Amino acid sequence: NAGVMQNPRHLVRRRGQEARLRCSPMKGHSHVYWYRQLPEEGLKFMVYLQKENIIDESGMPKERFSAEFPKEGPSILRIQQVVRGDSAAYFCASSEGFGTDTQYFGPGTRLTVL
Amino acid sequence: SQQGEEDPQALSIQEGENATMNCSYKTSINNLQWYRQNSGRGLVHLILIRSNEREKHSGRLRVTLDTSKKSSSLLITASRAADTASYFCATDLLPRGVNRDDKIIFGKGTRLHILP
Repeated sequence: NAGVMQNPRHLVRRRGQEARLRCSPMKGHSHVYWYRQLPEEGLKFMVYLQKENIIDESGMPKERFSAEFPKEGPSILRIQQVVRGDSAAYFCASSEGFGTDTQYFGPGTRLTVL
Repeated sequence: SQQGEEDPQALSIQEGENATMNCSYKTSINNLQWYRQNSGRGLVHLILIRSNEREKHSGRLRVTLDTSKKSSSLLITASRAADTASYFCATDLLPRGVNRDDKIIFGKGTRLHILP
């Protein structure tokens, strides 16, 4: 059973470009969480999705950021018109159920904005 | 993979009392973090303690770290009903080295229930 997959592992974008981060949950998991982490800081929750539904996006910036988890395919975190402050590691986690089920994390995508 | 093992698995205390949760880990760490999760929500970062620190405070939270025993404790003083949640510890979430590909797994956490 493969773990949570994220790609790309490293992404470099220039200011104003779009960044698309992908997350494939573990097999059998239908709950996906996205987190952002700045160096030497803790994870900051961004959004929680189930298939085709956004359950909680309270941690997502109101502008430029969006997330989806379609019926087929990976979950996508999209950042439009990136700025230098978007540079961070973005982690995706998946769980089988909701609430306090164990979350399994992917290796992260390190986004660098030039 | 890095893994925290929280202890106890469940804890019920009266409002106003102090709650103590423990975490043990297996390998050397750069830092250790505690998170809270309310039912149906994502993880919320509470506090980070570095490997060269022994104690850290944030409001009603106090975290200690003993690297010789590979353990940490989270103390919540003067507990409130809103503290009812699950609490998880995690270590070294930022990959060190570009080729590191650990699967990061949180432990089952400690389910804390504050009784009115």
